Amino acid sequence: DQQVKQNSPSLSVQEGRISILNCDYTNSMFDYFLWYKKYPAEGPTFLISISSIKDKNEDGRFTVFLNKSAKHLSLHIVPSQPGDSAVYFCAARTTSGTYKYIFGTGTRLKVLA
Amino acid sequence: DTAVSQTPKYLVTQMGNDKSIKCEQNLGHDTMYWYKQDSKKFLKIMFSYNNKELIINETVPNRFSPKSPDKAHLNLHINSLELGDSAVYFCASSQGTYYGYTFGSGTRLTVV
Repeated sequence: DQQVKQNSPSLSVQEGRISILNCDYTNSMFDYFLWYKKYPAEGPTFLISISSIKDKNEDGRFTVFLNKSAKHLSLHIVPSQPGDSAVYFCAARTTSGTYKYIFGTGTRLKVLA
Repeated sequence: DTAVSQTPKYLVTQMGNDKSIKCEQNLGHDTMYWYKQDSKKFLKIMFSYNNKELIINETVPNRFSPKSPDKAHLNLHINSLELGDSAVYFCASSQGTYYGYTFGSGTRLTVV
């Protein structure tokens, strides 16, 4: 049972436009969410986070939005750059038992020059 | 100066063999993890150690045994390797869980 879902395996966007990556979750007990970026042959690197008590967090070109009622998370990248081409994972922290993060399956973003 | 380093990067081995993957972090973090990324790209947690103490042990075959000699190291030993163990294994570390994990670059294990 996949509790964190990224239903779009891939996304292509023109350079300079907005990239929107989506993530849905099923567990209302998740209290903290992260986005990671992964280049080939490298480990995921932390990008941005959001607490469940907020609905938006911004860091430069990256903004994460959280809609708790819809159990939906999105990452906006504006403007998109070719160097943003990577796989993006969302992760949600479970509060039941020991804290741990559950990851989505990732969305491959390709930014076209 | 790599923050979380895993060795080896690639590992090809035959079924039935025993192998180890090593992980070291120089960030001073108190918690380390092993994640497995399978062919479907799911990143699933396997183990977590906090200050050398096992705190997460997901449903993983007992052929997999983590060892943490100190809080900077978390090694993964796998006995009697099976074809289904082929995956990319990522080590990670964190100080608390609010700031995310720092991942190593992964070890691609191929069992033939």
